[in-house]
Amino acid sequence: DIQMTQSPSTLSASVGDRVTITCRASQSVNSWLAWYQQKPGKAPKLLIYKASTLESGVPSRFSGSESGTEFTLTISSLQPDDFATYYCQHYNNYLGTFGQGTKVEIK
Amino acid sequence: EVQLVQSGAEVKKPGESLKISCKGSGYRFTTYWIGWVRQMPGKGLEWMGIINPGNFDTRYSPSFQGQVTISVDKSITTAYLQWSSLKASDTAMYYCAMGTRRPYDAFDMWGQGTKVTVSS
Repeated sequence: DIQMTQSPSTLSASVGDRVTITCRASQSVNSWLAWYQQKPGKAPKLLIYKASTLESGVPSRFSGSESGTEFTLTISSLQPDDFATYYCQHYNNYLGTFGQGTKVEIK
Repeated sequence: EVQLVQSGAEVKKPGESLKISCKGSGYRFTTYWIGWVRQMPGKGLEWMGIINPGNFDTRYSPSFQGQVTISVDKSITTAYLQWSSLKASDTAMYYCAMGTRRPYDAFDMWGQGTKVTVSS
């Protein structure tokens, strides 16, 4: 069972800030890593898949990268609509695990 | 339009059984695996399991193996999540979801969620 360790759990930032969220897999997931955004009372929304591919319609200020089993979601310039909770998820080998989530709050 | 539409909210007592549904439309139902995700109140997302609607192959998270049953009825393009004996700790929002680029992929399509409340 692959574990996904996401950090930080909470992040306080201001509009315009560059924000980075990290997710570490306990073993290789072969780049099958997704990032989601969730707002209160709503279903999650896919932002990034295959570690670094931007989902259609998602603003280009969002980007994903990987280095081995460490994955990063970056928001280049935080916008008011970006205050939400973010989750990573691996989907390797017909299984899946979500990270614990990162809540991005207004500073 | 590709859609996943889930059944409505449920209020049950501990020990009761429950089956919630997720109806797919706008695509060939057997193409994509359908998954279920739990979100307990105020908590994060948990991957429960997935099912291949074509051949009924099912994979469960170890945390949910034996606790729930995932099934499909191809004739009505509907996936199900089922409990035989609910506990208070099953109180949560449950989402069905699927990826539409490959048979199993990141979840780019989500149902609206089904809220399950288990209370005596």
